[in-house]
Amino acid sequence: EDKVVQSPLSLVVHEGDTVTLNCSYEVTNFRSLLWYKQEKKAPTFLFMLTSSGIEKKSGRLSSILDKKELSSILNITATQTGDSAIYLCAVLRTSYGKLTFGQGTILTVHP
Amino acid sequence: EAGVTQFPSHSVIEKGQTVTLRCDPISGHDNLYWYRRVMGKEIKFLLHFVKESKQDESGMPNNRFLAERTGGTYSTLKVQPAELEDSGVYFCASSRDLAGGTNEQFFGPGTRLTVL
Repeated sequence: EDKVVQSPLSLVVHEGDTVTLNCSYEVTNFRSLLWYKQEKKAPTFLFMLTSSGIEKKSGRLSSILDKKELSSILNITATQTGDSAIYLCAVLRTSYGKLTFGQGTILTVHP
Repeated sequence: EAGVTQFPSHSVIEKGQTVTLRCDPISGHDNLYWYRRVMGKEIKFLLHFVKESKQDESGMPNNRFLAERTGGTYSTLKVQPAELEDSGVYFCASSRDLAGGTNEQFFGPGTRLTVL
């Protein structure tokens, strides 16, 4: 059975800190790894990673996939209170099939 | 472009009753997915439609759950009769077809179902 594990489960930091969230997976026929941010309601898409070693970047957020280690990290630099959310990692086996999610990391950024 | 919408946002029913959840995907998205998050657990896949056809329903818990997508537009998920363990947040997501090239799934805000 496909498995996605995120760590840490919860993280509390102060504004300005840099954080690294981890995601590891065990899945057959891996296709892509996706990161989502969930604040109050709908998870919103952040990144989709398919190729190993290529960093994707959006503002203060960046992510990279390591297929050899079956893992990905999500970095957030200079955190702001608005970064407080649940960060979800999910893997996709086929192009248009189901996502398998990890438990999520709850990030709390204090002013 | 309007996002994925779900109705209702919250439903509270008694055990044994029936509830129907609705999802309107992003216009033009052929793929529609249902997921569920129960308390303390990760989001889990329920099923996947391609247009009006069920592509994968391997995540449906049991035959008390019935999903439909008549006409390939909006979808409904009916739970009948509801049990306590059905409580959770039900998410709907949609994505483009093969020509779109990527499979970013866009999520709706979810319906929180509470079964008493």
